Amino acid sequence: RKEVEQDPGPFNVPEGATVAFNCTYSNSASQSFFWYRQDCRKEPKLLMSVYSSGNEDGRFTAQLNRASQYISLLIRDSKLSDSATYLCVVMRGATDKLIFGTGTRLQVFP
Amino acid sequence: GAVVSQHPSRVICKSGTSVKIECRSLDFQATTMFWYRQFPKQSLMLMATSNEGSKATYEQGVEKDKFLINHASLTLSTLTVTSAHPEDSSFYICSAREGRVGNSPLHFGNGTRLTVT
Repeated sequence: RKEVEQDPGPFNVPEGATVAFNCTYSNSASQSFFWYRQDCRKEPKLLMSVYSSGNEDGRFTAQLNRASQYISLLIRDSKLSDSATYLCVVMRGATDKLIFGTGTRLQVFP
Repeated sequence: GAVVSQHPSRVICKSGTSVKIECRSLDFQATTMFWYRQFPKQSLMLMATSNEGSKATYEQGVEKDKFLINHASLTLSTLTVTSAHPEDSSFYICSAREGRVGNSPLHFGNGTRLTVT
């Protein structure tokens, strides 16, 4: 079983739509979670950390369910510029190694 | 803000040659750097953890004699792909942690696109 699993998509949504991505992780000892964004042929960039109580940053909301080992990202009012691959990232167990999911590709169309 | 510089950004080499990739933290000290590899349409795969002043630790399935890592200072780690083969063609990305706390920011270099002919 992969350490971090995501639905690869693609998700094709119109501008203004709300879209949600899910991710599961296998190591119950993991403590830190993140969502990164990667544009084509570029390095990944941190979108937001994911906190136990859930957190919001503008149009982006991240949720963590430790019992189910599940992380989500909700994007409201999608913009064309949101088109990218969204990577679910988990810090492996008690280490400081970041393990990336395969990414979910989002395409927002006009 | 903190920046990680990776060089070269693109390299084409012949099969059998070695290629060195540098990763520098420009305005912070990084005791730990990470090397990732990304094949087309796949995610980043952690190859190894580079520790300043000690040996790198490699992920399962990554050949340490093929991918030599040297972390000689707090701002520089190098990855050398030895005797490169076409299947080593990939996007290599380094990252460095700013600070020692586990959830402190991880900064990525711009990546190196390696093509082995």
